[in-house]
Amino acid sequence: EVHLVESGGGLGQPGGSLRLSCTASGFIFDDYVMNWVRQAPGKGLEWVSSISGSGYSTYYADSVKGRVTISRDNSKNTLYLQMNSLRAEDTALYYCAKDLQIEAPMTTVGSEIDYWGQGILVTVSS
Amino acid sequence: QSVLTQPASASGTPGQRVTISCSGSRSNIGSNTVSWYQQLPGTAPKLLMYGNNDRPSGVPDRFSGSKSGTSASLAISGLQSEDEADYYCASWDDSLNGPVFGGGTRLTVL
Repeated sequence: EVHLVESGGGLGQPGGSLRLSCTASGFIFDDYVMNWVRQAPGKGLEWVSSISGSGYSTYYADSVKGRVTISRDNSKNTLYLQMNSLRAEDTALYYCAKDLQIEAPMTTVGSEIDYWGQGILVTVSS
Repeated sequence: QSVLTQPASASGTPGQRVTISCSGSRSNIGSNTVSWYQQLPGTAPKLLMYGNNDRPSGVPDRFSGSKSGTSASLAISGLQSEDEADYYCASWDDSLNGPVFGGGTRLTVL
């Protein structure tokens, strides 16, 4: 059974940093694109970032580009999101999410997600 | 403002058929496949449809998807009370080089 468990959220200061982690189990981790998708309180889903199975290819939403780095450690079955220069608008529930297809083609990356974590709350406030 | 446009709300009575639309452009829906998600209150989204009209195992065949040009639709037939949820469409966008989601449609079963 697939499990995705996020950690590392909490309260961050404006301009500060947070690092989210997601530990995966129940599937061959390095076969799949992994994603971060966030949801601000009372709002819709917003894609944040994706990373290929090898970690070689990364993708970022314009809203976070230059402030966020996605990475993965396939030896630890763990996905990361390093968030810097935090802004109030980064406040959201952050979901770790697995792509549906093995070695998904680029044109489905992040849009066909079959498993989601429970989400981790990030609050940016002074 | 979401790149993919969905109606904010939809409603229907039990047993009825309801459709939810998702409007995009040539760079997303017009060129790539569409997925749909169901999000029940307080839970993570669930994949309902991918590849425009393919259902993951376990999704009832009451749910169906279609795409035409730069628009897509999710149809729910035999509406049930447990279908009351938020529904999101998603597609890859060639111009943005990333996936985009619709703003979501809240479905109410009257």
